[in-house]
Amino acid sequence: DQQVKQNSPSLSVQEGRISILNCDYTNSMFDYFLWYKKYPAEGPTFLISISSIKDKNEDGRFTVFLNKSAKHLSLHIVPSQPGDSAVYFCAARSNSGYSTLTFGKGTMLLVSP
Amino acid sequence: NAGVTQTPKFRILKIGQSMTLQCTQDMNHNYMYWYRQDPGMGLKLIYYSVGAGITDKGEVPNGYNVSRSTTEDFPLRLELAAPSQTSVYFCASSPGQGELFFGSGTQLSVL
Repeated sequence: DQQVKQNSPSLSVQEGRISILNCDYTNSMFDYFLWYKKYPAEGPTFLISISSIKDKNEDGRFTVFLNKSAKHLSLHIVPSQPGDSAVYFCAARSNSGYSTLTFGKGTMLLVSP
Repeated sequence: NAGVTQTPKFRILKIGQSMTLQCTQDMNHNYMYWYRQDPGMGLKLIYYSVGAGITDKGEVPNGYNVSRSTTEDFPLRLELAAPSQTSVYFCASSPGQGELFFGSGTQLSVL
């Protein structure tokens, strides 16, 4: 049972345009969400996070939106750059005691010049 | 700071062999984790530790063992390697329940 779903395996965007990566979750106990970025042959690196008490968090070109009623979050990258080409993982953590992160399958973003 | 260091980067094992994947961190983080990533799949948690001497199973612990004798080190042991354990293994650490810091991974093939 996949609790964190990234239904788009890949996304292609032109440089300068907006990239929107989506993530859905099923566990209503999740209260903290993170996005990680992964380049080939490297480990994932933390990008941005959001707590369930917020509906938006912004960090430079990256914004994460959370819609709790729809159990949906999205990562917006504006403007997209070729260096953003990577696999993006959505992850979530529940509020029950000590909780580990549950990851989605990832979306491969390709930003073309 | 080196962060999280994993060795080796690549390894080929024969079925039935055993090996230990090494992981060390120099950030004095209490929490450490082992994940595996299969092609086209997300990261699956194998084992984690909330401090020296304390370990617990994750989602996919079968075929693996861990120990945590120091804050810095969290080795992952494969006792009888099987083809199903062919994967990329990532070690991570965190100061609390927030973001994880990952190592660069170990690519393991079991043939």
